[in-house]
Amino acid sequence: AQSVTQLGSHVSVSEGALVLLRCNYSSSVPPYLFWYVQYPNQGLQLLLKYTSAATLVKGINGFEAEFKKSETSFHLTKPSAHMSDAAEYFCAVSHQGAQKLVFGQGTRLTINP
Amino acid sequence: NAGVMQNPRHLVRRRGQEARLRCSPVKGHSHVYWYRQLPEEGLKFMVYLQKENIIDESGMPKERFSAEFPKEGPSILRIQQVVRGDSAAYFCASSPSQEPTNEKLFFGSGTQLSVL
Repeated sequence: AQSVTQLGSHVSVSEGALVLLRCNYSSSVPPYLFWYVQYPNQGLQLLLKYTSAATLVKGINGFEAEFKKSETSFHLTKPSAHMSDAAEYFCAVSHQGAQKLVFGQGTRLTINP
Repeated sequence: NAGVMQNPRHLVRRRGQEARLRCSPVKGHSHVYWYRQLPEEGLKFMVYLQKENIIDESGMPKERFSAEFPKEGPSILRIQQVVRGDSAAYFCASSPSQEPTNEKLFFGSGTQLSVL
């Protein structure tokens, strides 16, 4: 069975500050890991993914995430927050051959001017 | 989001009524997935369909819920005799094929179901 835990349902940072959204996973098989972003009144959009290649993954809009097997983590970071980053972020896990994603509960990111 | 259309955006039903949620996948996509998001929770997988076939319905409640993806037309998620606990956001996603890396998986904007 697979599961995802996102630490912190709400995160607030100042514009220009570091963004860190935490995600820990549990998987009995090598995982595929994903971060999705949901802007208000829109569907989920893929930010980045890890599928057993490089452990540091770069995504869109300046976000990146690092797969750390020893810590079972896949935290999302961005060096400098922008107002347009305000959204809900979801971490998800699946595995090779799987057709369904297991999502975390989401983290709402607020950017303060 | 890349052409997955869900309607209606908001659906209000009274207890005991039926709810029908529609999903038109991206043109050319033959794989559809339905997810449900309960308040303060993440998205939960419900069902995976290909044209005219249900591939995986392990996340569907055993009663009152059904899904179809006919040869022509949108995918339909049907909830009979709705109860207040069915109130949630229902998301549809589509892909052109089996998509283990999910790069070509596109989500719709969801249908918010409210049961009074």
